[in-house]
Amino acid sequence: GENVEQHPSTLSVQEGDSAVIKCTYSDSASNYFPWYKQELGKRPQLIIDIRSNVGEKKDQRIAVTLNKTAKHFSLHITETQPEDSAVYFCAADNYGQNFVFGPGTRLSVLP
Amino acid sequence: EAGVAQSPRYKIIEKRQSVAFWCNPISGHATLYWYQQILGQGPKLLIQFQNNGVVDDSQLPKDRFSAERLKGVDSTLKIQPAKLEDSAVYLCASSPRQGTGELFFGEGSRLTVL
Repeated sequence: GENVEQHPSTLSVQEGDSAVIKCTYSDSASNYFPWYKQELGKRPQLIIDIRSNVGEKKDQRIAVTLNKTAKHFSLHITETQPEDSAVYFCAADNYGQNFVFGPGTRLSVLP
Repeated sequence: EAGVAQSPRYKIIEKRQSVAFWCNPISGHATLYWYQQILGQGPKLLIQFQNNGVVDDSQLPKDRFSAERLKGVDSTLKIQPAKLEDSAVYLCASSPRQGTGELFFGEGSRLTVL
């Protein structure tokens, strides 16, 4: 089945700087790659996703890029704000049935 | 639109005891997932239902965990007997379709096994 790795495990940035989180996956058949944000004690919530027929997708300050050849995808957050502080999980579909999540990246945005 | 409901939110038990968690998905969502999230880790799939049938339970420790989805709506996850390593948050999620699109998570049930 699918295996997803995520780096870095922790990331601290100054408010206003950019943050980049990278994920790699193992199954070249995976076609759907969502990103979830989980604030402390809260449920994970989808923030952006990308499908394999698209190389990049942007939504305001958040963007995701996908390199299918290299089997990696990245989350980019620009102009970070304190409310961006959370744990971010990447995921990939597993045989088109369910999702395998990465181990998470704890992002801290320092004022 | 009502979200995914889970109960109880918190449960503390001693090892070898049993516990059950309940989930009510968003109305009309055919796919229901139970994920285990150990502190500091990503969610790990335990079992996936499509309506009331099991799609994937390959990572469910079947000697102690069981789950069912009655009439394709509510679901119950049971652990018996519990071990210390079962301490985790058990997240229920639902989606209209499997394998793609947004997962709608519940608030989770936090289990502490002493």
